[in-house]
Amino acid sequence: SQTIHQWPATLVQPVGSPLSLECTVEGTSNPNLYWYRQAAGRGLQLLFYSVGIGQISSEVPQNLSASRPQDRQFILSSKKLLLSDSGFYLCACTPGTSGRSEQFFGPGTRLTVL
Amino acid sequence: AQTVTQSQPEMSVQEAETVTLSCTYDTSESDYYLFWYKQPPSRQMILVIRQEAYKQQNATENRFSVNFQKAAKSFSLKISDSQLGDAAMYFCAYIFSNSGYALNFGKGTSLLVTP
Repeated sequence: SQTIHQWPATLVQPVGSPLSLECTVEGTSNPNLYWYRQAAGRGLQLLFYSVGIGQISSEVPQNLSASRPQDRQFILSSKKLLLSDSGFYLCACTPGTSGRSEQFFGPGTRLTVL
Repeated sequence: AQTVTQSQPEMSVQEAETVTLSCTYDTSESDYYLFWYKQPPSRQMILVIRQEAYKQQNATENRFSVNFQKAAKSFSLKISDSQLGDAAMYFCAYIFSNSGYALNFGKGTSLLVTP
């Protein structure tokens, strides 16, 4: 079965600083990968998804970007953080063999921008 | 637009009792998947149950079952014999086939279980 790792688990950053959140997947190949953000007391919002290496689709225009340098690695970045970037960031995957019908989540990163 | 609506921000149930969480969705697709996820205080998202739209039979997983009404676009979750460990946020979700199979989530229902 697949395992999703995210780091760091918690991050406090000043406004205007850069950001790099990393997600790696074990136990499956050719997964679809996703970044979601969960604001306090709200549901999950899809930020980016990737169906293959180097293929990134953005759902919400903002100052964040994503990259997929390897099949099972997904990175969320920002050059300059905003206060509104605070939230809980979840990486998820649909395994390549599941028919894309199941999605599994990592433990998340709690980001606070001050 | 494809939307998922959870009309109950909070629900409360007594231990050992049954509770039903509501979810409605809007889609023009005929074949899709629906999910219920549980998010405990640890914030780990845990898949509770899945329903394929082409299946008329309602999905069940131990104490969890769904009432899937395709024509009404309704997908409610029933939790039987509620336990203290069931306390969590519950999210209904619909899978987008045209966004890399990403999930579209409702806003969630916070379930409180009282002894």
